[in-house]
Formats: sequence, structure tokens, C-alpha cells
Amino acid sequence: DAGVIQSPRHEVTEMGQEVTLRCKPISGHNSLFWYRQTMMRGLELLIYFNNNVPIDDSGMPEDRFSAKMPNASFSTLKIQPSEPRDSAVYFCASSFLSGSGYEQYFGPGTRLTVT
Amino acid sequence: SQQGEEDPQALSIQEGENATMNCSYKTSINNLQWYRQNSGRGLVHLILIRSNEREKHSGRLRVTLDTSKKSSSLLITASRAADTASYFCATDADQTGANNLFFGTGTRLTVIP
Repeated sequence: DAGVIQSPRHEVTEMGQEVTLRCKPISGHNSLFWYRQTMMRGLELLIYFNNNVPIDDSGMPEDRFSAKMPNASFSTLKIQPSEPRDSAVYFCASSFLSGSGYEQYFGPGTRLTVT
Repeated sequence: SQQGEEDPQALSIQEGENATMNCSYKTSINNLQWYRQNSGRGLVHLILIRSNEREKHSGRLRVTLDTSKKSSSLLITASRAADTASYFCATDADQTGANNLFFGTGTRLTVIP
């Protein structure tokens, strides 16, 4: 398996523009997580899905952020409009929901820079 | 917040020495996990220890868990330069139906060759 795939790996955009980050989880996994990592705030959970259904989006900072998971193999995180403070590394992770623990597999991340 | 706290924030040792990192958390858990993050990469799962376990080994890694103190430690023995990375503990929510993890702030380990 190729692991969790994220695209793009790097994104540089101007303030006010729409940004869409993409994630393909590991085949067979049924939980998907979006995180944001910055030096100041560390690793923050933004939202997660179980079986394509959003379970907890309390970490989504503002209405400018939205996430979708139209099927088991694809998810997007959209920021509209983007702001400089959104600059961070965004990670997608997936896991298999079971009763034996929830080891998460992380993608390589998307480094977003908003100027 | 359920977020854990790692201690120390940064650790620098010579190759061959042992490295010990600690994690404290605030709420009851089902299990605790440790992850490693190399610079510019995603996190990689290292080891999981359940709340009814006190110690677990995996290769050069040794993890302990003290639920009465709400703390865990990760010991890396005979460290190598390749062990240079940030290490995070993560706890679950001990809540039915919730499978999200709460990550700590991380310990930055530097192993000097």
C-alpha cells in the first residue's frame, strides 16, 4: 500500500484565495483525521470522520474551514478565504476503527503558506 | 484540555547513550501511544500500551505507563543518529464512540554522532 497520500505537498497562495487540500486514506481504513501543525500551537485535530461521516469538527477554527469526505477513498479540506495565520503544515491521517486501539497512519503533509 | 505534555521539550545526547522522554496527561485513558516525527515528515506510530499494562518493549524502545500518576515514559536504548526526531505521546478519549487521539507537545531529540 502506498500509505496516506496528500496533495499538494506545498501550496503558496495569496490572502483571500481559496485553498483545497486533498487526502487519500489507506485502503480499508474507515477513520480519517485532519490535523494542523504549527510551532506555536503544536498538532491540532481539526476534524475527523468515521465511515465517511464527520464525528467531531470542534477543532475547525472558523467557518472559513470546511471538510468533506464524499467516499471512503477521498477527503478534502478547504479554506475560503485563506489568511496568513492559516499558514501551517496540514496532515491527514487514517486508521481502522476497531476495539483494539486506534493507531493512526499519517500522510506526508501539505505545507501551506499564505502571503 | 486532554492534551498531554512531554518532558523535556528538547534533549540532546551522544550516540550510544539512552534517551528518556516523559509524558503526562490529564484524563483516564484506554491506551497511550508514542509517535515519532522526522523533520518535514508525518508522524509514525511506534508503540501502543494499554491502560492495564505497565511496561512494553519493542526493539530498542521501552515504554512504561503509570495510570495512578497519569504518566508514561519512552526509553530509547543505545541511541543512534537516525533516532534524531520529535517524539509525541498520544492518548485516546476513553469515551464510547470516540476514536480521536490527543497529542502532546513533543520532545525534540537530537542524537549527536
